[in-house]
Amino acid sequence: KNEVEQSPQNLTAQEGEFITINCSYSVGISALHWLQQHPGGGIVSLFMLSSGKKKHGRLIATINIQEKHSSLHITASHPRDSAVYICAVKETSGSRLTFGEGTQLTVNP
Amino acid sequence: DVKVTQSSRYLVKRTGEKVFLECVQDMDHENMFWYRQDPGLGLRLIYFSYDVKMKEKGDIPEGYSVSREKKERFSLILESASTNQTSMYLCASSPQGGQGQPQHFGDGTRLSIL
Repeated sequence: KNEVEQSPQNLTAQEGEFITINCSYSVGISALHWLQQHPGGGIVSLFMLSSGKKKHGRLIATINIQEKHSSLHITASHPRDSAVYICAVKETSGSRLTFGEGTQLTVNP
Repeated sequence: DVKVTQSSRYLVKRTGEKVFLECVQDMDHENMFWYRQDPGLGLRLIYFSYDVKMKEKGDIPEGYSVSREKKERFSLILESASTNQTSMYLCASSPQGGQGQPQHFGDGTRLSIL
């Protein structure tokens, strides 16, 4: 069993839909990251959070430390949101990140 | 703005060659990382470095070595390239200390070993 699990693996949505991607982890963490990877490879950090909720534009990330679960929400989805979304956790000790396998999101016009 | 630069976007090499992948960051970060990314496996850590001349093995170091002679540059070396090292390679950096400092990624190098 992976230490970080994401669901779903693949997600197809219509433009305008509300999207949720989930991440569960099994280790003690000091922070959780949500990353976005567009075709071509470059990875961008979207959020880093250790408690509660963060919002940036149409993106919202939440984390429940007790349940070891985080969600990434996209409101009013758009085709340009199509990308792979990756959850990564920073364990309590050290600087290393442990990554989920990613969720491929496709938003159709 | 933060910048992590990988020397090549695409690279094709032959089995048995010694391959160098270069990564440079301009943020004076202490930590640098090399990952490979494969379908169905996500990102896996090959090596990382906490400071100049310091290195630590990640989860899959076999067949690789690294060099960090200057703070801004972290090189990944494939000593004798094999076809199973065909992959996307990503470099990242982060500042030292603090809780959950974000890692900044380069654009990746897609390496093919023929």
